[in-house]
Amino acid sequence: DAGVIQSPRHEVTEMGQEVTLRCKPISGHNSLFWYRQTMMRGLELLIYFNNNVPIDDSGMPEDRFSAKMPNASFSTLKIQPSEPRDSAVYFCASSYRVGANVLTFGAGSRLTVL
Amino acid sequence: QQQVKQSPQSLIVQKGGISIINCAYENTAFDYFPWYQQFPGKGPALLIAIRPDVSEKKEGRFTISFNKSAKQFSLHIMDSQPGDSATYFCAATLSLTGNQFYFGTGTSLTVIP
Repeated sequence: DAGVIQSPRHEVTEMGQEVTLRCKPISGHNSLFWYRQTMMRGLELLIYFNNNVPIDDSGMPEDRFSAKMPNASFSTLKIQPSEPRDSAVYFCASSYRVGANVLTFGAGSRLTVL
Repeated sequence: QQQVKQSPQSLIVQKGGISIINCAYENTAFDYFPWYQQFPGKGPALLIAIRPDVSEKKEGRFTISFNKSAKQFSLHIMDSQPGDSATYFCAATLSLTGNQFYFGTGTSLTVIP
């Protein structure tokens, strides 16, 4: 298995632009998580899905952030409009079942908003 | 409220020395405590984990020590090597849900040759 695949690996954009980050979880995993990593706040859970259904989005910073999982093999995290304070590394992780206790992370998408 | 507190923020150790990273948790219902290792440009990867029914778990040079009464656990890296230089995260979760992993803020470890 190729692991959790994220794209793009790096994104540089200007304030106000829309940003879409993509994730392909490991085949057979039915839980998907989006995390944001910054020096100040470490790893923060933004949202997670079970069987493509969003379960908890309380970590999503504000309405500018949205996430979707249209099928078991694809998820997106969208920021519209983007702001400089959104600059961070965004990780997608998946787990093969609730309670499996093992998260497999992707390599991350480094976002820079100018 | 920070569910898992991790220290130190950064650590520099000589090659061959022992690296020790400490974590403390709040919720006594947590029943699974993993450590993740992250190299620059990579995502965190599971290193070792422990459940609270044991006080210690060892895998090679990596050992977790667990103190349930104190609600603390620590990672010990014996004979530290330059290749161990990475950021280490402790975490805690509830097995029944497995959804919410509470991560510490991370420790940047540098092992000097």
